[in-house]
Amino acid sequence: NAGVIQTPRHKVTGKGQEATLWCEPISGHSAVFWYRQTIVQGLEFLTYFRNQAPIDDSGMPKERFSAQMPNQSHSTLKIQSTQPQDSAVYLCASSPGLGPLYFGAGTRLSVL
Amino acid sequence: QQKVQQSPESLTVSEGAMASLNCTFSDGTSDNFRWYRQHSGKGLEMLVSIFSDGEKEEGRFTAHLNRASLHVSLHIREPQPSDSAVYLCAVSLDTNAYKVIFGKGTHLHVLP
Repeated sequence: NAGVIQTPRHKVTGKGQEATLWCEPISGHSAVFWYRQTIVQGLEFLTYFRNQAPIDDSGMPKERFSAQMPNQSHSTLKIQSTQPQDSAVYLCASSPGLGPLYFGAGTRLSVL
Repeated sequence: QQKVQQSPESLTVSEGAMASLNCTFSDGTSDNFRWYRQHSGKGLEMLVSIFSDGEKEEGRFTAHLNRASLHVSLHIREPQPSDSAVYLCAVSLDTNAYKVIFGKGTHLHVLP
C-alpha cells in the first residue's frame, strides 16, 4: 500500500497561469479531501468527495478553484489564473469512511 | 463554527522528559478528536483518536479529553529526537466527521 500519492511534489507557476494538482487516494477509500496549508492560516478545509461525488466545497475560493474526481483512483484540484496568495502546500487525504484521514505528502505550489 | 486553538506554539523538551500539548475547542458537542503529527516536508500521520471523556493510550502517546472544559491534551512519554515535528489537534462533529477542523499546531523540539 503506497498510501496517498500526490503529484507533483513542487510546482512553480507564474502569476496568471493555471495549476493542476493530482491526488491518487488509497485504494478502497470512499472519501477524498483537499486541504490547503499555510503558516498563517494553518490547515484549511477546501473540499470533500464521497464515492466520487462532490459533497462539500464550502472551503473553495469560488472563482478560480475547482476540484474533480472523475474516477475512484484520482482527484484533481485546478487553480486558474494563479495569484501569489495561492502559494501554499496543498494536501490530499483519503479515508475509508468516518475514520482517520490518511494524508499524502502534499504539493507545494509557488506562484511567482 | 468550531474553533480549535493549540498551545504552546512551540515546545522544547529534553529526550526522555514528558511532553504535554494542549488543545481547546469552542463547540462542546464535538465528540471526535484526533491528534496528528507532521514531520517537515511530509504529510500528516494520525497518532491517537479519542471519542469520550477520559484517557486513551496508543504506545507512548496518551490523549486526555474533558469536553466540559473544552479541552483535549496529548502527552508524549519518553520523547525522542525523532518525535520532533508539528503536532496538530483535529476536531470534528461525529455526524459530519468528514469535515475536520485543525488547530495551527505545536512545534515540538526534542533535544538529545
